[in-house]
Amino acid sequence: AQSVTQLDSQVPVFEEAPVELRCNYSSSVSVYLFWYVQYPNQGLQLLLKYLSGSTLVKGINGFEAEFNKSQTSFHLRKPSVHISDTAEYFCAVRRMDSSYKLIFGSGTRLLVRP
Amino acid sequence: DAMVIQNPRYQVTQFGKPVTLSCSQTLNHNVMYWYQQKSSQAPKLLFHYYDKDFNNEADTPDNFQSRRPNTSFCFLDIRSPGLGDAAMYLCATTPTGEKLFFGSGTQLSVL
Repeated sequence: AQSVTQLDSQVPVFEEAPVELRCNYSSSVSVYLFWYVQYPNQGLQLLLKYLSGSTLVKGINGFEAEFNKSQTSFHLRKPSVHISDTAEYFCAVRRMDSSYKLIFGSGTRLLVRP
Repeated sequence: DAMVIQNPRYQVTQFGKPVTLSCSQTLNHNVMYWYQQKSSQAPKLLFHYYDKDFNNEADTPDNFQSRRPNTSFCFLDIRSPGLGDAAMYLCATTPTGEKLFFGSGTQLSVL
């Protein structure tokens, strides 16, 4: 079985500061990794994904994440956040076999203050 | 234009009264999902379809049923809602599993 851990339930930062949202996963098989964002009263939308290749992946809105297989981590980063980045961020994993099952972490609320 | 549409946006039902939530898509994706999301928790997968092939999660209560009459529509039926079933219900679709497209969700209240 797969699981995803997001240790930080909330991360407050000031506008234009850098931020890192942490994600660790556990799986007995190889997985694909994703970050989704959820703005208030909306569904989730894909920020970025790691399927294969370069371990540093870039997504929308200036976010990037780095896959670290030895540490089973996929932390999300942004060098300079904006007020509009305030949202809930979910890390997710999916097995590399034919399964379509996507498992989410409990989420991290990013709160950007002026 | 919305590609995954969930109706209604807010649904109020009474304890024990059956309720149906609906989801439609204009993307013609093979795979459709239903997730339950409670406040400050991870979205929890209830079930998913690959075409008409239904995949139920082992820990999804029997109280939750689903129908997919065609590619475009998928329904979530809660036969006897309890207070613990109050949550946001999210529908999603995908063609390949690499990117899920979510609807805005239906917020269910149980009185």
